[in-house]
Amino acid sequence: DVKVTQSSRYLVKRTGEKVFLECVQDMDHENMFWYRQDPGLGLRLIYFSYDVKMKEKGDIPEGYSVSREKKERFSLILESASTNQTSMYLCASTSRIELNTIYFGEGSWLTVV
Amino acid sequence: DQQVKQNSPSLSVQEGRISILNCDYTNSMFDYFLWYKKYPAEGPTFLISISSIKDKNEDGRFTVFLNKSAKHLSLHIVPSQPGDSAVYFCAASASTDKLIFGTGTRLQVFP
Repeated sequence: DVKVTQSSRYLVKRTGEKVFLECVQDMDHENMFWYRQDPGLGLRLIYFSYDVKMKEKGDIPEGYSVSREKKERFSLILESASTNQTSMYLCASTSRIELNTIYFGEGSWLTVV
Repeated sequence: DQQVKQNSPSLSVQEGRISILNCDYTNSMFDYFLWYKKYPAEGPTFLISISSIKDKNEDGRFTVFLNKSAKHLSLHIVPSQPGDSAVYFCAASASTDKLIFGTGTRLQVFP
């Protein structure tokens, strides 16, 4: 079974702090994604990566950056956390040949105070 | 601009009855559609999909219908069970492009 693991399930951070959300997948997937889920807004794509060291902006990249130094790991970085970044963050991965079968992690609840 | 829309934020259905969740899209290039189910504090899990060459796909209690001319798809769950209570997201993609998700519909199945 594909496993996408998000290291932190619940975080509370202060405004202005730098926040790292880590994601690891164990199925050698080429593609990895970061989404955030907010009530009434669904799942919105922040950043995605099709390969190591590659990254593409999604629909809402402002205030975020990402790092993909290894194939299995995709990190989301909040350079200076703000209260409007309080949300549930979901990491996902797919293989290049099964692009439409996306596997999600369990999510990271981030509260910025 | 929301390319995939779920206009009903919530739906309440009695156990044993049919649940119908709807999804509309605007991009005629979309050729693959999926439904995901999400419980609180968990990641979404894949439920069922349909390619644009079909108009119906069935898997047990779940059936997805696609009406390309209306740019509309729906998920039917019959019979509905309390364990089906969750948020359902539809998603669409154009060939090898990324998935675009809808805003979600919260389904509550009551006894």
